[in-house]
Amino acid sequence: AQSVTQLDSQVPVFEEAPVELRCNYSSSVSVYLFWYVQYPNQGLQLLLKYLSGSTLVESINGFEAEFNKSQTSFHLRKPSVHISDTAEYFCAVITSQGGSEKLVFGKGTKLTVNP
Amino acid sequence: ETGVTQTPRHLVMGMTNKKSLKCEQHLGHNAMYWYKQSAKKPLELMFVYNFKEQTENNSVPSRFSPECPNSSHLFLHLHTLQPEDSALYLCASSQVGRGGHEQFFGPGTRLTVL
Repeated sequence: AQSVTQLDSQVPVFEEAPVELRCNYSSSVSVYLFWYVQYPNQGLQLLLKYLSGSTLVESINGFEAEFNKSQTSFHLRKPSVHISDTAEYFCAVITSQGGSEKLVFGKGTKLTVNP
Repeated sequence: ETGVTQTPRHLVMGMTNKKSLKCEQHLGHNAMYWYKQSAKKPLELMFVYNFKEQTENNSVPSRFSPECPNSSHLFLHLHTLQPEDSALYLCASSQVGRGGHEQFFGPGTRLTVL
């Protein structure tokens, strides 16, 4: 079964500092990877995804993630964070079985950006 | 309305009550999901409906009963819940089979069981 490991449960950083949120997944033939963000008291929003093609994917608000097959990783990075990036970030992988698809989530990383 | 909507946003119920959570998706998707999000636990998939047919029941207790009358609506009927069932219940939808894969989430219902 697919699994996702997010190594850091909490990451505090100062505003304008770079950040990396780590994600590793268990190996599989086909991999579809996602990062979701959850702001306080809200549902999950898709931040970016890797389905195929370029291994570097970007979001509209400056985040990027790189699919690394040899290291089975999909780390999320941002070169300079803002206070508004404070949220919980979830890495997820798709599994397909019997015609249905399931998202398997990591435990989440709480990013706190301090002034 | 756009995206995925959920009602109510907040619900407080006693252990003997019966209530229902409602989810509606306005995206034309063919699959819908219920997730449970508790403190200190990863997101747990509860149920999957694909083309209105339940394809996954992730060992969820029978006090949770899903219903999917059509591809746009999903309900979660609750009865005789326990305090440990207090959590954020998230609904999601996706288009399976056309390469999109991503799931779109509603804002959730914050459930408190007294």
